[in-house]
Amino acid sequence: AQSVTQPDIHITVSEGASLELRCNYSYGATPYLFWYVQSPGQGLQLLLKYFSGDTLVQGIKGFEAEFKRSQSSFNLRKPSVHWSDAAEYFCAVGAWDYKLSFGAGTTVTVRA
Amino acid sequence: DGGITQSPKYLFRKEGQNVTLSCEQNLNHDAMYWYRQDPGQGLRLIYYSQIVNDFQKGDIAEGYSVSREKKESFPLTVTSAQKNPTAFYLCASSPRTGEGKTQYFGPGTRLLVL
Repeated sequence: AQSVTQPDIHITVSEGASLELRCNYSYGATPYLFWYVQSPGQGLQLLLKYFSGDTLVQGIKGFEAEFKRSQSSFNLRKPSVHWSDAAEYFCAVGAWDYKLSFGAGTTVTVRA
Repeated sequence: DGGITQSPKYLFRKEGQNVTLSCEQNLNHDAMYWYRQDPGQGLRLIYYSQIVNDFQKGDIAEGYSVSREKKESFPLTVTSAQKNPTAFYLCASSPRTGEGKTQYFGPGTRLLVL
């Protein structure tokens, strides 16, 4: 079965600074990888996804992620964070059977 | 506007009571899912359904039941056998063709025990 580890429970970043969220996955075959964002009390919004092809994936809100097969990683980045980026971020890995496994999430706090 | 709706936004359950959470989608997706979210634990899969009249247990199905009589609807019942039902419940759907593994989520229902 697949699994996901998000090593950072909480990250604090200054507005305008860069952000990187780490995601490591475990899966025996080619993974399908996703990043979602969740504001308090809301559902999950899809930021970006990787199925195949170019390993650098662009998403919404200025986010990007890079798939590195050798490191089993799919880290999320944003060059300059805005106060509205404060939220919880989830990495997920999908398998052939349509099921997703989620990491425990990383909470991002943005300070002025 | 296409999307997933969940109702109610908040739901209160009394001891020994069954409660049903609604999930409706107008995205014409074949597959639908129910997740439970607890603080610090990410999302855990309760049940999923890939087609009408068929569904499978996820990782934490005990104390829950579902039905899938219509493509657009996938209600979840939290039974009295679920001893710790307080959580945030999320419904999702996905197509089965193309990028069929991309799941889209509803706004969630928070269940509280009185």
